[in-house]
Order: sequence, then structure tokens, then C-alpha cells
Amino acid sequence: DVKVTQSSRYLVKRTGEKVFLECVQDMDHENMFWYRQDPGLGLRLIYFSYDVKMKEKGDIPEGYSVSREKKERFSLILESASTNQTSMYLCASGTGVLETQYFGPGTRLLVL
Amino acid sequence: AQSVTQPDIHITVSEGASLELRCNYSYGATPYLFWYVQSPGQGLQLLLKYFSGDTLVQGIKGFEAEFKRSQSSFNLRKPSVHWSDAAEYFCAVGVTGGFKTIFGAGTRLFVKA
Repeated sequence: DVKVTQSSRYLVKRTGEKVFLECVQDMDHENMFWYRQDPGLGLRLIYFSYDVKMKEKGDIPEGYSVSREKKERFSLILESASTNQTSMYLCASGTGVLETQYFGPGTRLLVL
Repeated sequence: AQSVTQPDIHITVSEGASLELRCNYSYGATPYLFWYVQSPGQGLQLLLKYFSGDTLVQGIKGFEAEFKRSQSSFNLRKPSVHWSDAAEYFCAVGVTGGFKTIFGAGTRLFVKA
């Protein structure tokens, strides 16, 4: 079975802190994605990566950056956390951009 | 612009009753369509997908969906709902040009005994 793990299930940070969310997949997938999930808005794509060291902006990249130094690991970085970044963050991986995506359990981030 | 609409924010059905969750999409080309389910506290799991061919697709857990091009719809159905089906359901469309997947806002399903 494909496994996608995320470093934390719950995280509480203060405004202005730098926040790292990490995601690891064990199926050698080329593509990895970061979404945020908010009630009534569904999933919105923040960034995705189709190869090591490659990244593409999604629909809501402002205030976020990403890093993919190894194929299995995709990190989301909040350079200076703000309260409007309080949300559920979901990582996913897949073999092709139009193929099935496999999701991690999510990280619920609260920024105070 | 591409979009996915799930008209029902939440639906309540009795256990054993049939279920239909609605999904409409807006996309100019042939769509790649997906239904995912998110159980409480978990990530999303694929239920089924449609790329081409037979417009009625079967998925896991007894779910099926029918692609209707004329109505731009991809509704999810199950003939008899179980209490364990209570979850949030997301319809999604794959966008070839932008190489990404657009998700609907989700429909939360409640199952009453």
C-alpha cells in the first residue's frame, strides 16, 4: 500500500514564526502536492512538484514556499505564519498529474 | 475557467437508503473525473475515477458514478448506505493544461440509524 506520512497531526504556532510541514511518500512517485483544506472551500492547491528540485505554483502560493531535495520528501514552509494560515494542510503524491493522488492524514495548523 | 460544483453542503440519509451525491463540472475538454472520500481524521481516499469508455464506473465500497457529458455531471450513487459511509465526499476534475486537479467544496454525508 502507498503510504504518505506527514510530520505532525496537530501544530500550534505563533504569528511570525517560521513553520515547516514535512511530507514523505514511500512509493517512488514523481509528483507531490500540497493543499490546504478549509470548510466550504474544499481543497485548494498551494504548490506541486513533478520532480526533485522542481516546483510549480498552485492556486494560492502566497505566503508559502516549498522544497523538494529528495524524491520522497516534499516540505511546505510558512516563512512568517499568520492567523489566516490556520487551516488543515494535506500532502499528496501520485504517478502522474491526472492519475490517482494518495493523501496523507493531514496537519491541522493553528496560528495564534 | 475550470470549476467543480457540489450543490449540497451536507446530506442526511437513513441507513439502508439509497444515496446520490451531485457533482457538476465546467471544463472545455474531455474531463478526467474523480470522487474521493475523507473519513473523520483521515486523508482523502479515491473511490472511483473516469477517464474514458463506459460512462458508468464502479468503485470501491459499493459506490458507482455516471458521467453525463450533456449535463456536465458526474453524480455518485450507492444503493444502500451503511453507517460507516458517513464522511465527506469530494468530486474533482483533472485539468490537462494546468496539470492539476480541481476539487469541489465537498458534501458531508450524515447517516442516521
